[in-house]
Amino acid sequence: DSGVTQTPKHLITATGQRVTLRCSPRSGDLSVYWYQQSLDQGLQFLIHYYNGEERAKGNILERFSAQQFPDLHSELNLSSLELGDSALYFCASSRTPSGFRQETQYFGPGTRLLVL
Amino acid sequence: AQKVTQAQTEISVVEKEDVTLDCVYETRDTTYYLFWYKQPPSGELVFLIRRNSFDEQNEISGRYSWNFQKSTSSFNFTITASQVVDSAVYFCALSGGAGYQKVTFGTGTKLQVIP
Repeated sequence: DSGVTQTPKHLITATGQRVTLRCSPRSGDLSVYWYQQSLDQGLQFLIHYYNGEERAKGNILERFSAQQFPDLHSELNLSSLELGDSALYFCASSRTPSGFRQETQYFGPGTRLLVL
Repeated sequence: AQKVTQAQTEISVVEKEDVTLDCVYETRDTTYYLFWYKQPPSGELVFLIRRNSFDEQNEISGRYSWNFQKSTSSFNFTITASQVVDSAVYFCALSGGAGYQKVTFGTGTKLQVIP
């Protein structure tokens, strides 16, 4: 158990809908990262938040957005869902993105999204 | 741009055999970090190791060992005396630059250990 929690574990929805995925980082971790794992794209970095502020963006679609709240939990919002958005969405956390000392990211169990 | 190549898509070995998973990376950063993660059939990602670009010392942890060679841009992972519980997809990953938190993953190597 990495200490990172994600809810829900599974989500089934229809095309065009909007969903929210939630992530609680490990105690003391200030950084939250979101990843998408799909069959055709593999593991892709989506976005990184540190202490409430966006720090880095990866291959995140405009239909997707995220935020990190004062209590450090994060939500990933996916809207106008398409069949191709079906994937496993991981959240990861780390202590801090301190300069030279790259922090290891610890992953949550993931949310499996199925768009029908 | 960063790139991680895991040329082995699937590997099957018989239990107790040794197996090496290859990882080749590309980066222009002088400071970077390399990782290995395990994804068992249950789906979660499990952190195995982190290595920074200034530390080329090989590491051994139980049956696991890692060989980092900067000259060939490789970070290979060896499992000694494999067990059925080692069956999983293994991902090599790269994160480059001071303070840069984007992690680039390889496509993974599926390891099947046959009893």
